[in-house]
Amino acid sequence: GAGVSQSPSNKVTEKGKDVELRCDPISGHTALYWYRQRLGQGLEFLIYFQGNSAPDKSGLPSDRFSAERTGESVSTLTIQRTQQEDSAVYLCASSVGQGISYEQYFGPGTRLTVT
Amino acid sequence: DQQVKQNSPSLSVQEGRISILNCDYTNSMFDYFLWYKKYPAEGPTFLISISSIKDKNEDGRFTVFLNKSAKHLSLHIVPSQPGDSAVYFCAARTSPSYGKLTFGQGTILTVHP
Repeated sequence: GAGVSQSPSNKVTEKGKDVELRCDPISGHTALYWYRQRLGQGLEFLIYFQGNSAPDKSGLPSDRFSAERTGESVSTLTIQRTQQEDSAVYLCASSVGQGISYEQYFGPGTRLTVT
Repeated sequence: DQQVKQNSPSLSVQEGRISILNCDYTNSMFDYFLWYKKYPAEGPTFLISISSIKDKNEDGRFTVFLNKSAKHLSLHIVPSQPGDSAVYFCAARTSPSYGKLTFGQGTILTVHP
């Protein structure tokens, strides 16, 4: 079946502009996650959604970052007034649920470059 | 504060030999650990995991060892194959924040034919 898809695959934007990144999770997956990976670093947790529960936003680095999810489908990550330090690969993942052994399936990521 | 550390940025191994990738953590509340493999331009894919109540988990050529007292885990790949060449990340999580994985920086494994 189809995996997690993300769009765009690459995005170049000017400092100060807003960007929206999209994630389509695997159908039937109730949990959805956003991570980012800066150059030479590990993946950094940003936010996750589980069903109708309030999202865990504890990883969002500033109030310029926000994310929405429509039901149990598409999610968008919005970065307002982008800064150069926002340049990274943004990865989305989904899982069947949120249990301790539920594997997270990752998309290919969106490479964001802020000039 | 890096709670999960992979201190070796890269590892080079001959085909057929054992690859050992190491990971250290500082948060004693972590109770589940995972290894992911990542190829260029792709997202990470799950490889193997281990609960903190175990000290070893094996799946084919891959074995993960957990030493809780040392806060250390390792991934053994035997025998290594050229297709194993990728970036390997260890990750950890705590109950009940199952959704929040904390990742290490990754180790680039190169397996030479």
